[in-house]
Amino acid sequence: DAGVTQSPTHLIKTRGQHVTLRCSPISGHKSVSWYQQVLGQGPQFIFQYYEKEERGRGNFPDRFSARQFPNYSSELNVNALLLGDSALYLCASTWKGLSNTEAFFGQGTRLTVV
Amino acid sequence: AQSVTQLGSHVSVSEGALVLLRCNYSSSVPPYLFWYVQYPNQGLQLLLKYTTGATLVKGINGFEAEFKKSETSFHLTKPSAHMSDAAEYFCAVSDLNDMRFGAGTRLTVKP
Repeated sequence: DAGVTQSPTHLIKTRGQHVTLRCSPISGHKSVSWYQQVLGQGPQFIFQYYEKEERGRGNFPDRFSARQFPNYSSELNVNALLLGDSALYLCASTWKGLSNTEAFFGQGTRLTVV
Repeated sequence: AQSVTQLGSHVSVSEGALVLLRCNYSSSVPPYLFWYVQYPNQGLQLLLKYTTGATLVKGINGFEAEFKKSETSFHLTKPSAHMSDAAEYFCAVSDLNDMRFGAGTRLTVKP
């Protein structure tokens, strides 16, 4: 079985632009979570989606949004990019909510904002 | 709100020596605790987790951790370090709807 897949693996954007990151969870997993990992820091929780509904949101501005599709894949959208949005964006999938279940992580999308 | 503190951003040990990475948590509900490892340019891989039951948890690659409620700690240990253990290690605490990570500890293993 394929693991969590994220696309693209790398991209470079200009300040003020918009970006869409994509994530496909492990087959059978219904929950996707998004994290931002700035260089040298731990991952910061952005969103959790379960059964296509937002179940958790971290302390990020409204420029960040996400959605989950009927096939449980997910998109993370960031508007009006700032230099500080440069980071590794990680997607994790779980069978259901986070709680005590193992979260499987993708390899991430490295976003550079110039 | 739940949170995690990892003591020591960098730990260096000699090959064959004991590895001890420290993690303290704060949670208003019984915590679910995790240790993840991250190799360069890769995502996170689960080493072990504590949910309920036995407080000494064994994971992959010879790692284990002990949940100590009285100390609010979940320290990660390995009796004998291997060169391949060099990586970034993250402790995390979870409830139903979000997971909080510590800032990470970079482990260096010297030959």
